Amino acid sequence: DAGITQSPRHKVTETGTPVTLRCHQTENHRYMYWYRQDPGHGLRLIHYSYGVKDTDKGEVSDGYSVSRSKTEDFLLTLESATSSQTSVYFCAISERGPGAFETDTQYFGPGTRLTVL
Amino acid sequence: SQQGEEDPQALSIQEGENATMNCSYKTSINNLQWYRQNSGRGLVHLILIRSNEREKHSGRLRVTLDTSKKSSSLLITASRAADTASYFCATSRPGAQKLVFGQGTRLTINP
Repeated sequence: DAGITQSPRHKVTETGTPVTLRCHQTENHRYMYWYRQDPGHGLRLIHYSYGVKDTDKGEVSDGYSVSRSKTEDFLLTLESATSSQTSVYFCAISERGPGAFETDTQYFGPGTRLTVL
Repeated sequence: SQQGEEDPQALSIQEGENATMNCSYKTSINNLQWYRQNSGRGLVHLILIRSNEREKHSGRLRVTLDTSKKSSSLLITASRAADTASYFCATSRPGAQKLVFGQGTRLTINP
């Protein structure tokens, strides 16, 4: 795992509580991503960041917010967790964005398993 | 709908045999990547093939890309038990800010 850590690795919480997941990288990569992985849906992009304080929505962003105040940290917040947000969350990083011809590969963290009761 | 769709969804073979997985997509792409995910772990990049390439090799991996058919295949030769994992294709479209992943092929190598 290319210098990417996620915390916590496991969390159980109750419906309606706020939850923050942290992604930390030591690679100084410009792009950071949050995905969720669910059976039958594969990997879906929640939000991504293309620089400090520069973020944008992915395909399943409702109910999630993100912040990036430093190059190395990308936070994902569930303002009020719901059972539908029970999932495995992956952070990923890349040097270049996906739209360029010379697309960089993405490096993934180990994941956070979140259960919302 | 997903840009990349893998086929088959699951594949079980004997150790030593070759495994072939396919990926189809819908729109023009810059490149296509293959990733592997072991159970309970994050995805690991295997190989990237650009839209102007037709075939690429990396060790026991061979990837082909047919842009006219909008499809790619991943061949793993001489499979090993350690190859047991899920394999995902991911496509990058011109100007897009995200990769789009398929739902994966679950590969099981039987000893």
